[in-house]
Amino acid sequence: KNEVEQSPQNLTAQEGEFITINCSYSVGISALHWLQQHPGGGIVSLFMLSSGKKKHGRLIATINIQEKHSSLHITASHPRDSAVYICAVNRGNQFYFGTGTSLTVIP
Amino acid sequence: EAGVAQSPRYKIIEKRQSVAFWCNPISGHATLYWYQQILGQGPKLLIQFQNNGVVDDSQLPKDRFSAERLKGVDSTLKIQPAKLEDSAVYLCASSLRAPNTEAFFGQGTRLTVV
Repeated sequence: KNEVEQSPQNLTAQEGEFITINCSYSVGISALHWLQQHPGGGIVSLFMLSSGKKKHGRLIATINIQEKHSSLHITASHPRDSAVYICAVNRGNQFYFGTGTSLTVIP
Repeated sequence: EAGVAQSPRYKIIEKRQSVAFWCNPISGHATLYWYQQILGQGPKLLIQFQNNGVVDDSQLPKDRFSAERLKGVDSTLKIQPAKLEDSAVYLCASSLRAPNTEAFFGQGTRLTVV
């Protein structure tokens, strides 16, 4: 069983929709990261969280340490948001990655 | 701030050939990671360096993969000989220190073994 589970695996949305991607983890962590990966591109770090909530533009990330759960929200989604979103956690010296959520936003 | 640089971006080789990837982390970042990402999966750690020392290489297939980080800055990852199942994106990342610090990723090298 993977230490980090994401849902959904694939998501298609209409432009303008509110999007939520979920991440659950089963190990104790010191921080959680949300990453974005465009096709053929590298990975960009969106957020690093250890508690509460962070907001950057149309992106919002929340974490509930007790429930071992985090969500990434995208408001007013746009086709350029189409990418794979990966949840990763810090445990000790390592990162553990989810398998990613592939998001497609249709104009 | 310059990001993590990787080269080449793409590489196609035949099985049993050798290949090497290069990574230049962000200046001052002590921790460097090499990840293998097979299509449809999350990245898998191959090796983690702290300066020029190896922190974790437990998932590195040492019969064919090797990595070094001379002088604690640039790093190279080599595969010799390559197998078909090595086809993947190889990502390099760096962070100021581990744990609890943000990691910055390079663009990756997409390897195709035919």
